[in-house]
Amino acid sequence: EIVLTQSPATLSLSPGERATLSCRASQSVGIYLAWYQQKPGQAPRLLIYDASNRATGIPARFSGSGSGTDFTLTISSLEPEDFAFYYCQHRSTWPLITFGQGTRLEIE
Amino acid sequence: QVQLVQSGAEVKKPGASLKVSCKASGYTFSDYHMHWVRQAPGQGLEWMGWINPDSGATNYAQKFQGRVTMTRDTSISTASMELSRLRSDDTAVYFCARDAYGSGVMDVWGQGTTVTVSS
Repeated sequence: EIVLTQSPATLSLSPGERATLSCRASQSVGIYLAWYQQKPGQAPRLLIYDASNRATGIPARFSGSGSGTDFTLTISSLEPEDFAFYYCQHRSTWPLITFGQGTRLEIE
Repeated sequence: QVQLVQSGAEVKKPGASLKVSCKASGYTFSDYHMHWVRQAPGQGLEWMGWINPDSGATNYAQKFQGRVTMTRDTSISTASMELSRLRSDDTAVYFCARDAYGSGVMDVWGQGTTVTVSS
């Protein structure tokens, strides 16, 4: 089973700053990695799929990069509504799927 | 608009069974796999499995095999997830989620169903 490890567990930043979230896979997942945002009490929302493709309606300040085992989600300039939990998820072993444990992005 | 609406909150006793439904609208139900994902209080997301609404084929996470059954009723565009032999650690919010491409990208999510297992 491929394990996804997200870091840091918590990231404290201020609005306007740049956020860099990491997701590392225990073995290669190719480009088959997605990122989701979840706010308290809400369902997750798809942000990025296949490492770098923004989902429909996702603002350009969100970008994804990486391949193989190391992936990054970057938020270029944080808006107040971006403070939330972020999860990575791979599908390289389809039909099986795994999520990372999440990163909490909080206001400093 | 594309929407998934789930059934309401449930309280169950240990050992009982649970069935959560997910009604799809705004798209052709049979064209997209449906996943089930759960989230225990204060924890991350846990994938449980998926169903192909067209064929009825299913695939379950190993952890849930033998306890979970996913079904669909195409006549009412509804997917369901049944979990048996409930334990206290099954207390969670259960989400259904549409698969955008039939290969593990979840683009539309239900609102979640809160399930509490307690004696």
